[in-house]
Amino acid sequence: GENVEQHPSTLSVQEGDSAVIKCTYSDSASNYFPWYKQELGKRPQLIIDIRSNVGEKKDQRIAVTLNKTAKHFSLHITETQPEDSAVYFCAASGVGNEKLTFGTGTRLTIIP
Amino acid sequence: SAVISQKPSRDICQRGTSLTIQCQVDSQVTMMFWYRQQPGQSLTLIATANQGSEATYESGFVIDKFPISRPNLTFSTLTVSNMSPEDSSIYLCSVGGDYEQYFGPGTRLTVT
Repeated sequence: GENVEQHPSTLSVQEGDSAVIKCTYSDSASNYFPWYKQELGKRPQLIIDIRSNVGEKKDQRIAVTLNKTAKHFSLHITETQPEDSAVYFCAASGVGNEKLTFGTGTRLTIIP
Repeated sequence: SAVISQKPSRDICQRGTSLTIQCQVDSQVTMMFWYRQQPGQSLTLIATANQGSEATYESGFVIDKFPISRPNLTFSTLTVSNMSPEDSSIYLCSVGGDYEQYFGPGTRLTVT
């Protein structure tokens, strides 16, 4: 089955700086890669996703890049703000409607 | 995205008892899933709830312990049977369309 590794497990950045979280996956058949943000006591929220036919996707301060050859994808957050502090999870799945395999999570702390 | 609700939001149960968690969606959805999130951990898929047929369980999860029903395209239940303290966790349902999955608010279960 699919295996997703995520690094780093914790990340602290100064407010205004950029944050990068990286994930690798094992199954070359995976073609959908979402990122979730989970604040303390809340449900995971889908913040951005990318499909395998695209190399990069951007939504305001958040971007995701995908390298299918190397089987890794990354989340980039620019101009970080205190409200970006949360746990971020990457995930991977196969053809649409299939189950998600999650990474282990990254606790991001933005230092004011 | 769909509005997803879960009942109960939290419960404290004694070992050896069972608890049924409900997941309700405000629109018909193709896919429904059940996840477990242990304290400070990532999300682990328990099973895919199939409408009109038996759920598909992931490795390490069995129907006798986690029976699932999905009588229609907007509702599913997960039962945690014969509970032990190791079952203390947050249980989340998620729903999916073409690719994106969205999570319910979760049920926080404590087994004493």
